[in-house]
Amino acid sequence: EAGVAQSPRYKIIEKRQSVAFWCNPISGHATLYWYQQILGQGPKLLIQFQNNGVVDDSQLPKDRFSAERLKGVDSTLKIQPAKLEDSAVYLCASSLVGRPNTEAFFGQGTRLTVV
Amino acid sequence: KQEVTQIPAALSVPEGENLVLNCSFTDSAIYNLQWFRQDPGKGLTSLLLIQSSQREQTSGRLNASLDKSSGRSTLYIAASQPGDSATYLCAVMIKAAGNKLTFGGGTRVLVKP
Repeated sequence: EAGVAQSPRYKIIEKRQSVAFWCNPISGHATLYWYQQILGQGPKLLIQFQNNGVVDDSQLPKDRFSAERLKGVDSTLKIQPAKLEDSAVYLCASSLVGRPNTEAFFGQGTRLTVV
Repeated sequence: KQEVTQIPAALSVPEGENLVLNCSFTDSAIYNLQWFRQDPGKGLTSLLLIQSSQREQTSGRLNASLDKSSGRSTLYIAASQPGDSATYLCAVMIKAAGNKLTFGGGTRVLVKP
């Protein structure tokens, strides 16, 4: 079974530029998560989709971050314009709809450096 | 709002010693709790998942317990090895809002040869 795919793995941009990250979840997984992980901290949820609807985006800085999940499969996270404090690893995860044995699976992440 | 805490933030032990990692959460209405391992610069690898109705789960040298009533989970790693050096994260999946997954801050472990 293929895992969660993310691209690119690494990205370096200058502040005020824009950047986009792509995620392909495990086939059949209705729930898709985007997390931001700053060095030395635990992952922080940015946005959660169920199919192509947004379940939670309360911690997404909507003035600069946007995300979409077209057709309830692949997802794209965009930052425009980027700030220095956006330097972090962006993790995508997917899972089946919640049950006690529902496990979340993570991609390798995209490391973003804003200079 | 669910809050997840991991203490200590960092831990250093000599090889062969047992590791005890703690995770606490504020809302007991959870589906499950997962323990993850993260190596530097890498993604998250799932170690164990404990369902809300379970008390513990075991895999090799790893054993995780869950006490939902007190909002605590403990991950035990027996006979630690230098290869166990990594950051360990716990995450709870809550029933509200479509299985939201909330993480603790992690415990950074160093096992010295």
